[in-house]
Formats: sequence, C-alpha cells, structure tokens
Amino acid sequence: DAGVTQSPTHLIKTRGQQVTLRCSPKSGHDTVSWYQQALGQGPQFIFQYYEEEERQRGNFPDRFSGHQFPNYSSELNVNALLLGDSALYLCASSLGGGHGYTFGSGTRLTVV
Amino acid sequence: AQSVTQPDIHITVSEGASLELRCNYSYGATPYLFWYVQSPGQGLQLLLKYFSGDTLVQGIKGFEAEFKRSQSSFNLRKPSVHWSDAAEYFCAVGVGTNAGKSTFGDGTTLTVKP
Repeated sequence: DAGVTQSPTHLIKTRGQQVTLRCSPKSGHDTVSWYQQALGQGPQFIFQYYEEEERQRGNFPDRFSGHQFPNYSSELNVNALLLGDSALYLCASSLGGGHGYTFGSGTRLTVV
Repeated sequence: AQSVTQPDIHITVSEGASLELRCNYSYGATPYLFWYVQSPGQGLQLLLKYFSGDTLVQGIKGFEAEFKRSQSSFNLRKPSVHWSDAAEYFCAVGVGTNAGKSTFGDGTTLTVKP
C-alpha cells in the first residue's frame, strides 16, 4: 500500500518562474495539507484541501495556490518565485482531516 | 495564535542512555499535541499524539510523552536510546483534531554517541 507520493523529488527554478508540485495521498485518504519547511526550521502550514476546496489557509501570499482533483490528488502552484521560496515542500494526507496524518518525503525546491 | 517552543536545538546522548526532549506550547484552548521524527531527506513520521484522556501517551519506537497542562509542556522521553534514533524531532500543536493544520516547533536534532 503506497503512502503519500510527491513529485518531483527535487527541482531547480529561476527567480520569477512558476512551479507546480504534485501529491498523491495515501490510499483511502481524502484530505491533503501542504507545508513549507525552510532549512533549519519546522514545517509551516500553507493550506489544506478537502472535497476539492481549500478549507484552511496559513499565512502565505496569494502566489501560493493549490488544487485538489476528484481522485484526491493535489497540486501546489507557486507563481513569481522568490529566492526565499527555496524549501522542502511537504504534503500530508488523512481521512477527513482527523488524526493519523501521513507525510510524504517532500519536494526540494531550489530557486536561483 | 498557537505557538510551539523547543528550547534545545541540538542534544547529544550516548547509546543506551535515557532521553528527554522538551516542548512548550501556547494555545488558548485544549491543545492537540503531536511529536514527529524526521530523518535526513525524509518526510515526517508521527511518533505519538495527545488529544485527551491519560496524560502519559505511548508511541511507536518505544517513545512516550507526558502532557502537563500546568506547565504547558509535552516532553518526549525514551528510556534507552538506540543509534537509529538519531534524527530531528518536531513537536506540533494542532487546531482542534485537525492535525493537518498544525503549528510546529523548529525542531531538536538528536545525535547518538556510540
């Protein structure tokens, strides 16, 4: 049974570009949360998707947007990339937003 | 808004010694508390969680944590550390039972000496 799958594992983008990160939740899970983890820091909540809608959002600018598809997979989009967006982006899934969140291994984004 | 403080950035213990990682939280209501472990280049693995009830919580890999409301603390303990426990440990407080919107501390890096 696959856990949470994120792609790509690593990528390098140039400042000002746009990027899309993808997440497939664990089988049976319907809720996806996204986190940004800068080097040496704890993860910071970006937003959460349930029933294809953004349900909760952290303190991130509108450059960060997302989507959830009918199969519960999700995308995180970041526009107008800044050097400060360089981080590990983690996706976590659960059933109904309750306890038992499973994290993926993350996507390492480097902005140059 | 909730916050989490992990006072120890880095801890070194000898293999076989006991371990305690500190976590203090700030939250206006009953907290929902979590400990996660992260190995280099990996995602987070949930060690244990506290929602209510018994304040001593047992987790995986021999870890336990004790919720102390009076001290706003949720310290993680292990009686005997193994070399494979070397990793980064994060404490988090959740909004209600929605563990998907959690506030994390900045982590404690554990080094295990042979």
